Amino acid sequence: AQKITQTQPGMFVQEKEAVTLDCTYDTSDQSYGLFWYKQPSSGEMIFLIYQGSYDEQNATEGRYSLNFQKARKSANLVISASQLGDSAMYFCAMRVRSYNTDKLIFGTGTRLQVFP
Amino acid sequence: DSGVTQTPKHLITATGQRVTLRCSPRSGDLSVYWYQQSLDQGLQFLIQYYNGEERAKGNILERFSAQQFPDLHSELNLSSLELGDSALYFCASSQPQSPVQGPTNEKLFFGSGTQLSVL
Repeated sequence: AQKITQTQPGMFVQEKEAVTLDCTYDTSDQSYGLFWYKQPSSGEMIFLIYQGSYDEQNATEGRYSLNFQKARKSANLVISASQLGDSAMYFCAMRVRSYNTDKLIFGTGTRLQVFP
Repeated sequence: DSGVTQTPKHLITATGQRVTLRCSPRSGDLSVYWYQQSLDQGLQFLIQYYNGEERAKGNILERFSAQQFPDLHSELNLSSLELGDSALYFCASSQPQSPVQGPTNEKLFFGSGTQLSVL
């Protein structure tokens, strides 16, 4: 069964420091996509970064990078130089696509709090 | 702004009632997805439509139904509401993919959600 696991319910980080949010996934598919979304207190879901299962390079988007370790089935999000505005829920997700389905499976999320 | 519009933003109703949530996808997006976010269940995929046709079904109750209209907007109908249906309901859209299988970097763009409170 396809599953996303986020084992950190909450994380604290000081402003300007880096933080790693953990994500492991389970799938028997060879082709899949991994996403991270941010959900601030206002509720909207904001796309952060994507990693394809065949991508050899780790994805980067500004201060966000994805530490992709395929053999370990992990896709950790690294946020560098944390800002107060980074305080939010962060969700790891896997996109599953086949002839009869196309959906994102989400983990339970990690609540990140950035303090001054 | 993701470009996905959901109305209403908030909905308060009573048990046993029926409500309709509306979603307008981004311009050009053919796929619409519905998700339910609750404290105990997290983010659950409900259903997906592609160009008017149902493509995938998730954990959607029989009391719930959805459709996508020719103009590509979608509606999620929730009937015989129960207290446990209180949740944040998201609509998301994405562009069509070719081929339809395998990895894709096309992200889902989410609306701001409809907060449903069943009293």
